[in-house]
Amino acid sequence: AQSVTQLDSQVPVFEEAPVELRCNYSSSVSVYLFWYVQYPNQGLQLLLKYLSGSTLVKGINGFEAEFNKSQTSFHLRKPSVHISDTAEYFCAVSGVTGGGNKLTFGTGTQLKVEL
Amino acid sequence: DARVTQTPRHKVTEMGQEVTMRCQPILGHNTVFWYRQTMMQGLELLAYFRNRAPLDDSGMPKDRFSAEMPDATLATLKIQPSEPRDSAVYFCASGLVGRTSGSIEQFFGPGTRLTVL
Repeated sequence: AQSVTQLDSQVPVFEEAPVELRCNYSSSVSVYLFWYVQYPNQGLQLLLKYLSGSTLVKGINGFEAEFNKSQTSFHLRKPSVHISDTAEYFCAVSGVTGGGNKLTFGTGTQLKVEL
Repeated sequence: DARVTQTPRHKVTEMGQEVTMRCQPILGHNTVFWYRQTMMQGLELLAYFRNRAPLDDSGMPKDRFSAEMPDATLATLKIQPSEPRDSAVYFCASGLVGRTSGSIEQFFGPGTRLTVL
């Protein structure tokens, strides 16, 4: 079984400032990792994913994340945020098994970008 | 533009009534997930299907919840009888899993916001 911890429930940041949203996971097997974004009254949208290969993953809207196996982390970063980045961000993990697997989500981090 | 669709988008009902939520997965996707989102519990996986067969419904209260896929274009989630604690947003997601590939991207629908009075 896997679990995900997002320690920050809310992160306020000023527009054009950098931001990092933290995610740590726990798993007894190799994992795939994901970040999803949820805008108000909408479903979740995939930002980026780590399946294998380079540990630095680039996603949509200028976001990137780095997989750190030794620290079991997958933190999300953006060098300069915009008002439109205000949303809830979910980290998710899946065990690597043949045929696909279900996702376990963290509790989410609300990013609030202020002027 | 392929999307997961869900109906209804909003549902208000009284305790004890039956509720049916519907999901149309993206054409060609072979895996469908049902999630429930609440402030207290966050996102919880209720059940998921592969090629229309239920693979895991351990997250679902068995006494009142049921999930089915009558065909490849329709997944349903029913609650009977509904209770106030079922009030939540219910999301459907779909994806494509190959025989040997690992985890997949899940495409989420807009959700059904259920309020049970």
